[in-house]
Amino acid sequence: DAGVTQSPTHLIKTRGQQVTLRCSPKSGHDTVSWYQQALGQGPQFIFQYYEEEERQRGNFPDRFSGHQFPNYSSELNVNALLLGDSALYLCASSLERGGLETQYFGPGTRLLVL
Amino acid sequence: AQKITQTQPGMFVQEKEAVTLDCTYDTSDPSYGLFWYKQPSSGEMIFLIYQGSYDQQNATEGRYSLNFQKARKSANLVISASQLGDSAMYFCAMRGVAGQNFVFGPGTRLSVLP
Repeated sequence: DAGVTQSPTHLIKTRGQQVTLRCSPKSGHDTVSWYQQALGQGPQFIFQYYEEEERQRGNFPDRFSGHQFPNYSSELNVNALLLGDSALYLCASSLERGGLETQYFGPGTRLLVL
Repeated sequence: AQKITQTQPGMFVQEKEAVTLDCTYDTSDPSYGLFWYKQPSSGEMIFLIYQGSYDQQNATEGRYSLNFQKARKSANLVISASQLGDSAMYFCAMRGVAGQNFVFGPGTRLSVLP
């Protein structure tokens, strides 16, 4: 049973560039959430996708956008990169049924913005 | 709004001893879930244990147990018989039924000494 996978594992970009991160959920899961984890901090919620639509969004600017595909995989796009966007980006998947379902995380993508 | 507090930035424990990692929370949701995750230096968030707010008994998963005190709004993680491989960051998180995203605490770095 494959767990959550993310690509790439590491990425280096310069300010102003755009980046796309990818996530494949755990088998059987239909919901993908994205989190940003700055160094030394806990993860911060960016947004969640369910049935190919953004269902909830955290306190992140419109530079952060996403997409979910029919196979439930997801992309996170960040435009006009800033130095402060350097972080570990975590994808989590779950099978949401309106309760208190557990989210399972991938290994993350480490983004460095120079 | 939901909030998680972890007041121990770092903890040390001798191998084979038990350790308690503190977590307090604040929420207005009548029903909520509390979760603990382990994050090794590799970055992946590993799910450890879950406690529902209406569960009558404290959750246990192998060497992990959750000391849930609802009136005090605390959900401390107890690790018994610590192993060197337990050295990692530990995050307490919660979600409410009304909200879809997880809220994480700042984490506690546990170091197991040989």
